[in-house]
Amino acid sequence: RKEVEQDPGPFNVPEGATVAFNCTYSNSASQSFFWYRQDCRKEPKLLMSVYSSGNEDGRFTAQLNRASQYISLLIRDSKLSDSATYLCVVNGRTDSWGKLQFGAGTQVVVTP
Amino acid sequence: DAGITQSPRYKITETGRQVTLMCHQTWSHSYMFWYRQDLGHGLRLIYYSAAADITDKGEVPDGYVVSRSKTENFPLTLESATRSQTSVYFCASSEPARIIGNTIYFGEGSWLTVV
Repeated sequence: RKEVEQDPGPFNVPEGATVAFNCTYSNSASQSFFWYRQDCRKEPKLLMSVYSSGNEDGRFTAQLNRASQYISLLIRDSKLSDSATYLCVVNGRTDSWGKLQFGAGTQVVVTP
Repeated sequence: DAGITQSPRYKITETGRQVTLMCHQTWSHSYMFWYRQDLGHGLRLIYYSAAADITDKGEVPDGYVVSRSKTENFPLTLESATRSQTSVYFCASSEPARIIGNTIYFGEGSWLTVV
């Protein structure tokens, strides 16, 4: 079983709609969680960190569910520019910063 | 604001050849990483380095060698390239996660094809 699993999609979303997707992780000791965005043939870039209490950044909301070991990302009022692959990233322990675990990504396609 | 740069960006090489991918960062970040990205696997860690002269294996280190004689450089060498090493390679750097939200910065990637 992979340590971090994501639905690969694609999630086809009409412009203006809301889309949400999850990422599950296997290591219950995981401490840090992130969502990265990757455009086609580009490098991943940090979208947002995920805090225990959940957090928002504009149209993006991230949630953490430690009991069920998943994090989620919700995108409201989707824009065409939101089309990308969203990578879930999990860090096992604070003393293992070097060994982040990346999910394979969830592809989102926003259509006009 | 040069950030983190990789070279070459694109490389075609033959099986058995030695190939070195270069990575240079201008932020003086202590951590540097090499990942490979293949369809269906996501990013997999090859090697990482917590500081100059300190390196450690990641998930898929076989067939690769790294060194870190200077903080800003972290070259990745494929000693004898194989077709299975055809991939996109990303170098990255960061400071350790002393606080939540610390960011890993990625280079633009090196596309390597082994024929």
